[in-house]
Amino acid sequence: SAVISQKPSRDICQRGTSLTIQCQVDSQVTMMFWYRQQPGQSLTLIATANQGSEATYESGFVIDKFPISRPNLTFSTLTVSNMSPEDSSIYLCSVVAGEPYEQYFGPGTRLTVT
Amino acid sequence: GQNIDQPTEMTATEGAIVQINCTYQTSGFNGLFWYQQHAGEAPTFLSYNVLDGLEEKGRFSSFLSRSKGYSYLLLKELQMKDSASYLCAVMDSNYQLIWGAGTKLIIKP
Repeated sequence: SAVISQKPSRDICQRGTSLTIQCQVDSQVTMMFWYRQQPGQSLTLIATANQGSEATYESGFVIDKFPISRPNLTFSTLTVSNMSPEDSSIYLCSVVAGEPYEQYFGPGTRLTVT
Repeated sequence: GQNIDQPTEMTATEGAIVQINCTYQTSGFNGLFWYQQHAGEAPTFLSYNVLDGLEEKGRFSSFLSRSKGYSYLLLKELQMKDSASYLCAVMDSNYQLIWGAGTKLIIKP
């Protein structure tokens, strides 16, 4: 299993600013993901955070808007840049740990953009 | 394209049994997952099926038919705390999870 913490747990930000979300895992993991979940909807994968190389982004998400760092096997950050109200969502960090490819989720960061 | 279908919302009575269905069409198949998500919280893992048949874990069971692209989650002896969204997800040939929109389960006393 894996225990994941995220900071901040919630934030209210102004349009045009940027917010960096941190994800810390209690063990070394290879696969780490960033998801977005808008109210009442399911999870949308933003990107896979790769240690030592650039993140792999899903269709509709770009590095300029959502830069990701993965400096080691236990930590990652996601930045939401130049925010607009449409970015208001819950952002979740997730890792794959153990068998069979079980994904564990962090508690999420609830972002509101005004 | 890839698609996961599950009902948007279901209502059941405390103490009863409810079955939440999930059908899928994906590029390859490396297993099907069920997650529970309480409002305002992160999803938590419930079950994983990769072979056909029924997996039982306490009050929860999950069934898979790969030939039919079909799974269900069965919840017995429902409790009020079971009120949550239940997410079906399939791991495709690239080991990427494809998520359904979730089924909101409402338990009434």
